[in-house]
Amino acid sequence: AQSVAQPEDQVNVAEGNPLTVKCTYSVSGNPYLFWYVQYPNRGLQFLLKYITGDNLVKGSYGFEAEFNKSQTSFHLKKPSALVSDSALYFCAVRVHRGYQKVTFGTGTKLQVIP
Amino acid sequence: GAGVSQSPSNKVTEKGKDVELRCDPISGHTALYWYRQSLGQGLEFLIYFQGNSAPDKSGLPSDRFSAERTGGSVSTLTIQRTQQEDSAVYLCASTWGGGADTQYFGPGTRLTVL
Repeated sequence: AQSVAQPEDQVNVAEGNPLTVKCTYSVSGNPYLFWYVQYPNRGLQFLLKYITGDNLVKGSYGFEAEFNKSQTSFHLKKPSALVSDSALYFCAVRVHRGYQKVTFGTGTKLQVIP
Repeated sequence: GAGVSQSPSNKVTEKGKDVELRCDPISGHTALYWYRQSLGQGLEFLIYFQGNSAPDKSGLPSDRFSAERTGGSVSTLTIQRTQQEDSAVYLCASTWGGGADTQYFGPGTRLTVL
């Protein structure tokens, strides 16, 4: 079985400060890892993904995430938060081999305070 | 190009009525997923299509829920005898079919059962 944990329901950060949204995962095998963002009343939009190789993944809108195999984590980061980054962020995982549905975390609401 | 579209965007129905929700995936995408997002909850997987076949229906909550896909394209999610607990946003996503593929989400259908 595979699972994803986003331990924080909400993260508050001041505009201009660095932000981190946490994600840990559990799979039997090598993972594909994803981050999606959902703005109010919108569907989910892809931010970035880890497949293999370089542990630091860069994505849309200045976001990046670091794959840490030993800690089974894939935290989302941005050096300087914008008010427009305020949204709901979902981490997701899928194992490499065979068919497995993508498992999503419960989401973390990011609030960037002006 | 055109993204994933869903209709209707909003549906209000009375308890006990049947509803049909439609998803038009991106042209050429072979894989299609349905999810349910309840207020304050993450994404709940419902069903996965590869082409017209549904190899994973494990997330359908009850036999009141069914889905089909025709021509490897449009999919319809049907909920019979709706209950108030069915109220949620129903999201559809499509991909090319590979394990590392990004999921492209539609805007969702907000279902309210009175």
